[in-house]
Amino acid sequence: RKEVEQDPGPFNVPEGATVAFNCTYSNSASQSFFWYRQDCRKEPKLLMSVYSSGNEDGRFTAQLNRASQYISLLIRDSKLSDSATYLCVVNPSGGYNKLIFGAGTRLAVHP
Amino acid sequence: DTEVTQTPKHLVMGMTNKKSLKCEQHMGHRAMYWYKQKAKKPPELMFVYSYEKLSINESVPSRFSPECPNSSLLNLHLHALQPEDSALYLCASSQAATNYGYTFGSGTRLTVV
Repeated sequence: RKEVEQDPGPFNVPEGATVAFNCTYSNSASQSFFWYRQDCRKEPKLLMSVYSSGNEDGRFTAQLNRASQYISLLIRDSKLSDSATYLCVVNPSGGYNKLIFGAGTRLAVHP
Repeated sequence: DTEVTQTPKHLVMGMTNKKSLKCEQHMGHRAMYWYKQKAKKPPELMFVYSYEKLSINESVPSRFSPECPNSSLLNLHLHALQPEDSALYLCASSQAATNYGYTFGSGTRLTVV
């Protein structure tokens, strides 16, 4: 089993749609969780951290369920500029800040 | 502009060459990382430096040799690479604590011929 698994994608949605991405992780001792966004041939950029209580940043909402080892990202009112690959990222242990990336889910928003 | 600067942006090298990738950050971060990313794959961790000491080597072949001369700089020395080593090499930095995400540089796109 992979340490971090994501929806395979791609997701093709019209502008204005709501889209949800899911992710599961294998290590129950994982300490911290993130969503990154990566545009084609660019570096990954931190989109948001994910907290147990859930957190929101504008049109983006992240949820964490530690019992189910499940992370989600909800994007509301999709924009063309949201088209990218979304990477679920987990720190599987305490101590050193070692981040493990999921394979990513590609989102394409069309007019 | 990214706060983590990598040079060069592109590099083509032969299998007998020696080259170095450079990474610099001035955010006061005390942890720095090298990741390798092949096309359509996620980044894979290679090395972690914490407080200028190598703390994690993910079983990387010795033809890749990291160096951290000071808290702001991270190098990756390359020697006798193979064509399958062609990839995007990403440097990142973070606070040393475990709850912070990384800031990535824009990467060096390496082609081994």
